[in-house]
Amino acid sequence: NAGVTQTPKFRILKIGQSMTLQCTQDMNHNYMYWYRQDPGMGLKLIYYSVGAGITDKGEVPNGYNVSRSTTEDFPLRLELAAPSQTSVYFCASSFPPWVATSTDTQYFGPGTRLTVL
Amino acid sequence: GQSLEQPSEVTAVEGAIVQINCTYQTSGFYGLSWYQQHDGGAPTFLSYNALDGLEETGRFSSFLSRSDSYGYLLLQELQMKDSASYFCAVRDRAGGGNKLTFGTGTQLKVEL
Repeated sequence: NAGVTQTPKFRILKIGQSMTLQCTQDMNHNYMYWYRQDPGMGLKLIYYSVGAGITDKGEVPNGYNVSRSTTEDFPLRLELAAPSQTSVYFCASSFPPWVATSTDTQYFGPGTRLTVL
Repeated sequence: GQSLEQPSEVTAVEGAIVQINCTYQTSGFYGLSWYQQHDGGAPTFLSYNALDGLEETGRFSSFLSRSDSYGYLLLQELQMKDSASYFCAVRDRAGGGNKLTFGTGTQLKVEL
């Protein structure tokens, strides 16, 4: 199993450009998440999905959009990039929390380091 | 809403024991998790407590007191490779229990 994969690893955008961050998991997890992590800070939830066709906002959704057409893929779209979106973006996946009641593991991808200039 | 507090930085020597505390405020608490993140890397799951008490996994243990809204991560026989950031995270009723809220992290520095 490859686990959670993310592309690209690095990206530099100009203000106003758009891009899609890709995330794929091969563990058949229903739940998928997008986080951003600013330097020296914790993880802030952008969007999450509990299954194909179902998405919901997290703590910091403004400026982002998501879709979930398959169990495996959960792309994050940035429209009109702004310097405030410079961050490291992590995608994660998990089983539903009631499936693994003795643990609560989210599996993270390696991250995409995005700079907006 | 949820809030978590943990120390920003802890320093300890190799071979020692260190405790990283986490206090939280939530509505409808389900469980407390701990994650490790090395510089430039992805967070990795360490431990989870849903009930009061101590969970032990090798050199790492995690403790929870639901009545005190408090937990800690205990690292024994510290090694240089344990230098990393450690995050506590709570799952609660917010969002139907479908998401974690992470603390801001504790940077652990292990010295010789």
